[in-house]
Parts: sequence; C-alpha cells; structure tokens
Amino acid sequence: EVQLQQSGAELVRPGTSVKLSCKVSGDTIIAYYMHFVKQRPGQGLEWIGRIDPEDDSTKYAKKFKNKATLTADTSSNTAYLKLSSLTSEDTATYFCTTGATEGIGDYWGQGVMVTVSS
Amino acid sequence: DVQMTQSPSYLAASPGESVFISCKASKSISNYLAWYQQKPGEANKLLIYSGSTLQSGTPSRFSGSGSGTDFTLTIRNLEPEDFAVYYCQQYYEKPLTFGSGTKLEIK
Repeated sequence: EVQLQQSGAELVRPGTSVKLSCKVSGDTIIAYYMHFVKQRPGQGLEWIGRIDPEDDSTKYAKKFKNKATLTADTSSNTAYLKLSSLTSEDTATYFCTTGATEGIGDYWGQGVMVTVSS
Repeated sequence: DVQMTQSPSYLAASPGESVFISCKASKSISNYLAWYQQKPGEANKLLIYSGSTLQSGTPSRFSGSGSGTDFTLTIRNLEPEDFAVYYCQQYYEKPLTFGSGTKLEIK
C-alpha cells in the first residue's frame, strides 16, 4: 500500500523560505503525479500544484507561481515543496497527495503545519 | 478556474439519519468529481470519484450522484464515525479546485 510521510512541523521567520518533504513508500514515485494542497487554520483546501517526478514537469495554481517550487528526488522517492518569502498568509497545514488517476487523491500525507512568526 | 460551490457549510444530524451535501460547479465538469472526508489527526480520505464510484473501503451507506454541474453526496443511516468535514473536488481541469467544505456534526 502506498504511504506518504511528510516532514515535521516548522516555525519560520517572515521573509525566509522553508522546504517540506513528502516521502513515498510502497511504490516508486515515478508512477505518480505528486500534488500539494494548502489548508489555512479553520479553512478549506487549496491546490498549490503538482510535479511529475518522471520528467520534473510542473503545473502550479496561478497564485502560487511565485510562492511555491516543487521538486522531486527519484533516488529517495521524495517530493518537495519549497515556499519562499514567507508571510503570515503562509501559516497553514500543507498536504501532499497522489493517486492512480491524475487529480484524484487516493493517498494523502498526514500534513505538516507551517507557522510563520517572528 | 472552475468554482465549486458546496452547501450547506454546516449540518447537524443524529446517528441513523440521512444527510445530503450539494456541490455545484461553475461549468460542466462531466463526472470528474471526487468527495473526501477530513477528520482531525487522520489522513484525508477519498470516498468517491467519478461522481459516483465508491473508493475501495468506502461503506455502502455513502453514495454520490450527478454529472455536469450538479452533484450530491448522500450518507444514509449515519454512523458515529461519519461526523467529519466533507469536501468535493473537481479534477476536470487545472487548477484543481475544492468546495468550501461541509462540517457534519452530531445533533
């Protein structure tokens, strides 16, 4: 069974960057598109973008184009989300998700809480 | 972008009752619609995809219907473990978009 293990909670300063990881176990990462989703406290789910680890092609939601960078390391079966120029608006839980069909989240990571505070 | 309008945002019901959650797309998305369940401390769970196909492991008291722009998630004979937040999501086109969520609470 595919499992997604995300890195631990982060407390970061405004203006800095943070890189979150999502490790795939149970299958090879190149079999899947890896998506990342944002959830602000008490709010709904918002799609950030996705990466195809087979060729590193990416697609982003417009509002995250200058905020998020997706990468993947096939040797470690891990996808990464880097968030830059952090502000309080970036305080949220970030999920990775993937599935057998592109766009459907069969599998989800447990989420990682990022708190941006001075 | 395809806007997903989900209603109601809040629903209170008792175990054994049935509930209906609506999700409307701003344009036709055929049947490219998924439903998820979110509970604190648990991974988000895919319940239904293709509008009406139950994901393996989803209890049969859950059902999905609709196509085009109007979709419904029905939960019959509510069990205590069903009280959670539910989201619809379209995967017809990028960006993927979600409904705003429905919080189902015990009455």
